[in-house]
Amino acid sequence: ETGVTQSPTHLIKTRGQQVTLRCSSQSGHNTVSWYQQALGQGPQFIFQYYREEENGRGNFPPRFSGLQFPNYSSELNVNALELDDSALYLCASSFTTSTDTQYFGPGTRLTVL
Amino acid sequence: SQQGEEDPQALSIQEGENATMNCSYKTSINNLQWYRQNSGRGLVHLILIRSNEREKHSGRLRVTLDTSKKSSSLLITASRAADTASYFCATDLTNTGNQFYFGTGTSLTVIP
Repeated sequence: ETGVTQSPTHLIKTRGQQVTLRCSSQSGHNTVSWYQQALGQGPQFIFQYYREEENGRGNFPPRFSGLQFPNYSSELNVNALELDDSALYLCASSFTTSTDTQYFGPGTRLTVL
Repeated sequence: SQQGEEDPQALSIQEGENATMNCSYKTSINNLQWYRQNSGRGLVHLILIRSNEREKHSGRLRVTLDTSKKSSSLLITASRAADTASYFCATDLTNTGNQFYFGTGTSLTVIP
């Protein structure tokens, strides 16, 4: 167990809808990163938050946005869902942005119909 | 896009045998890490090797890094059925510092 939790476990949405995924990091972890993992692929970096500010972003459109809160929780919001957004979404926390090891949550499986 | 590529894509071995997986990457790195993923769930950190290291051991795991060839290998000795999982390499690029790039993964099946 990594101490990182995510909710919900599974989610089914319709194209065009909006979704919010949640992550609870380990206490003391100031950094959270979000990844998208399509079926059969490796995780792809969406963005990272450090002390409630975005601290790096991968090649994802602006309809992917995030929030990080002082209580070590965070959210990933996706607007105008597309079929290709169907994937496993993983959050990972670490002490700082320069910490090498990331601790992953179990993920949220999003299906867009 | 994926920074790394694992080889082979899938590997099936008998329990007790050794498993070797390779990872190649494209640009300079700070460090390279290996993660394991069971059944499409969260990733578990296995081992980290820094760019100035050539070999590292952790229990039944042995990792090598060749920065001149931009490649790494993960050896699992005396495999067990519980080692059945997907294995990914992840690189921390020198020009980003905070972004981890994962490869495409090797699916390992250990037959009891």
